[in-house]
Amino acid sequence: AQSVTQPDIHITVSEGASLELRCNYSYGATPYLFWYVQSPGQGLQLLLKYFSGDTLVQGIKGFEAEFKRSQSSFNLRKPSVHWSDAAEYFCAVGPLEYGNKLVFGAGTILRVKS
Amino acid sequence: SQTIHQWPATLVQPVGSPLSLECTVEGTSNPNLYWYRQAAGRGLQLLFYSVGIGQISSEVPQNLSASRPQDRQFILSSKKLLLSDSGFYLCACSGTSYEQYFGPGTRLTVT
Repeated sequence: AQSVTQPDIHITVSEGASLELRCNYSYGATPYLFWYVQSPGQGLQLLLKYFSGDTLVQGIKGFEAEFKRSQSSFNLRKPSVHWSDAAEYFCAVGPLEYGNKLVFGAGTILRVKS
Repeated sequence: SQTIHQWPATLVQPVGSPLSLECTVEGTSNPNLYWYRQAAGRGLQLLFYSVGIGQISSEVPQNLSASRPQDRQFILSSKKLLLSDSGFYLCACSGTSYEQYFGPGTRLTVT
């Protein structure tokens, strides 16, 4: 069955430090992969997506992610974290079946300390 | 690009009262539409999705229902709310590469 695992529920990073959020997926075909960010009380915003081509994809807000098929991973990275990056991050894979649904991970809450 | 509107933004309703949450989409036509719920401290739960007018698929049996009376309008309803219906409700629409775009959400508190 298709699934997404985000092993870290919480991560704390110092402002200016680098960040890597982990995402592992299980999917029977070539996946479409996504990272979203959600600030408290708001909707989800798409950071980046991968569906073919270069395995290193650039997104908004200075984020990038690397698709590694052999490891079934799609980790999100940022070289220097800003306090405004504190939020919850969701990885997703799809499409699933009729309706082009996505499967979302449980999320990783990022805290940024000054 | 797509813009998703949801209202109301917040709602406090007593147990047993009816519910109607509305979602409208701009900037696209014939999208797939989705209703999700986030309970406090938990991830996203897909409730309903729709691939066209009048076509609704339910993911989780519950006392909620959904309708799509127009191409870019998606409504979430209940005849009698339960305490467990409290949560943050998100509407989303499909993009061109299977991504989904989300609205700002509705915070529902059932008292």
